[in-house]
Amino acid sequence: AQKVTQAQTEISVVEKEDVTLDCVYETRDTTYYLFWYKQPPSGELVFLIRRNSFDEQNEISGRYSWNFQKSTSSFNFTITASQVVDSAVYFCALGHSGYSTLTFGKGTMLLVSP
Amino acid sequence: DTGVSQDPRHKITKRGQNVTFRCDPISEHNRLYWYRQTLGQGPEFLTYFQNEAQLEKSRLLSDRFSAERPKGSFSTLEIQRTEQGDSAMYLCASSLSSGSHSYNEQFFGPGTRLTVL
Repeated sequence: AQKVTQAQTEISVVEKEDVTLDCVYETRDTTYYLFWYKQPPSGELVFLIRRNSFDEQNEISGRYSWNFQKSTSSFNFTITASQVVDSAVYFCALGHSGYSTLTFGKGTMLLVSP
Repeated sequence: DTGVSQDPRHKITKRGQNVTFRCDPISEHNRLYWYRQTLGQGPEFLTYFQNEAQLEKSRLLSDRFSAERPKGSFSTLEIQRTEQGDSAMYLCASSLSSGSHSYNEQFFGPGTRLTVL
């Protein structure tokens, strides 16, 4: 069975703080894909990143960085110098090779206050 | 606007009525997905199409639910005899797949929020 756990339900930070959102996944597949999506108050899910299971290189995109560790089945997301516009619900998702469905975690609500 | 669009954005209906939602994917995308999202939860997969073929359906998709993609472009999701438990956000997504093992990211529409009274 596929499962994604985002243990942090809600995180509150003050602007300019760094924040890390945790994601732990379970899968029996050897080839799989991990995703992060952002859902702002407007409701539309915005794709942030995709990572293949065979590529454990960490990635940085501006203020965003992702740490993928197969040994701990984790795919954590860090926002550096957070901004109010980062306030949203963030979802981690797992996709299976050969299939098209995504299994989402329950999401982490991030609130960045000025 | 070349993103995924959904119509209507909001729908309020009475229990027992039928409702239909429409999704227009990104034009060159051959895969189209429907998800349902309830408050405080992540999206849950309902069904997906590759071109006009419906390839997978979730157990969540009861026999009151039906989805079509007749010409491989837009899709409709119909719920018959709505129940209060059907109240949710219905999300549509699309992606471009070039092979059985390719996994391109899914792009989501704004969703249709259904309220069943």
